[in-house]
Amino acid sequence: DVKVTQSSRYLVKRTGEKVFLECVQDMDHENMFWYRQDPGLGLRLIYFSYDVKMKEKGDIPEGYSVSREKKERFSLILESASTNQTSMYLCASSFGLARSFDEQFFGPGTRLTVL
Amino acid sequence: GEDVEQSLFLSVREGDSSVINCTYTDSSSTYLYWYKQEPGAGLQLLTYIFSNMDMKQDQRLTVLLNKKDKHLSLRIADTQTGDSAIYFCAESNNNAGNMLTFGGGTRLMVKP
Repeated sequence: DVKVTQSSRYLVKRTGEKVFLECVQDMDHENMFWYRQDPGLGLRLIYFSYDVKMKEKGDIPEGYSVSREKKERFSLILESASTNQTSMYLCASSFGLARSFDEQFFGPGTRLTVL
Repeated sequence: GEDVEQSLFLSVREGDSSVINCTYTDSSSTYLYWYKQEPGAGLQLLTYIFSNMDMKQDQRLTVLLNKKDKHLSLRIADTQTGDSAIYFCAESNNNAGNMLTFGGGTRLMVKP
């Protein structure tokens, strides 16, 4: 079974704090993704990575950065957290390698509250 | 960018059929997906359909695709309380790097 784990299920931070969200996958997947989920808006892609040290902006990258130093780990960083970043954050991974059908496997999510 | 739309909420009685609808704008979609999110969990792929198909059936699930109208539906037969969840429609396009575009999700509530 593919397993995608996220470091925290719930996180409470203060405005201006630096926040790290960690994601690890155990299936040697090439691609990894960070989404945020807000009611009625579905999932919106923040950043994705198709290889170690490679990253691409998604639809809403402002206020976020990412790091992929190892293939299995993809970190999302909020340099200075703001209240409008309160959300559910979901990590996903997929095989990649230009597959026509490339299922994404999701972690359980981290619910972040910024006070 | 491309858009995927779903209604926010659906309520059905246990044993009835549920139909969740989705519309999308990408005329070059390659695959269309239904993901299920149970309370407190991440998303899990429920089923998917290739864009050159118009129907796919998998046990209690039937996916219908009307490519001309860009309309996708998920029918759940004999809906159970365990089917209560949020269902997300998504599409991908091989010409756009296979990124997924998600709808806003439909919350299905099954009443006993």
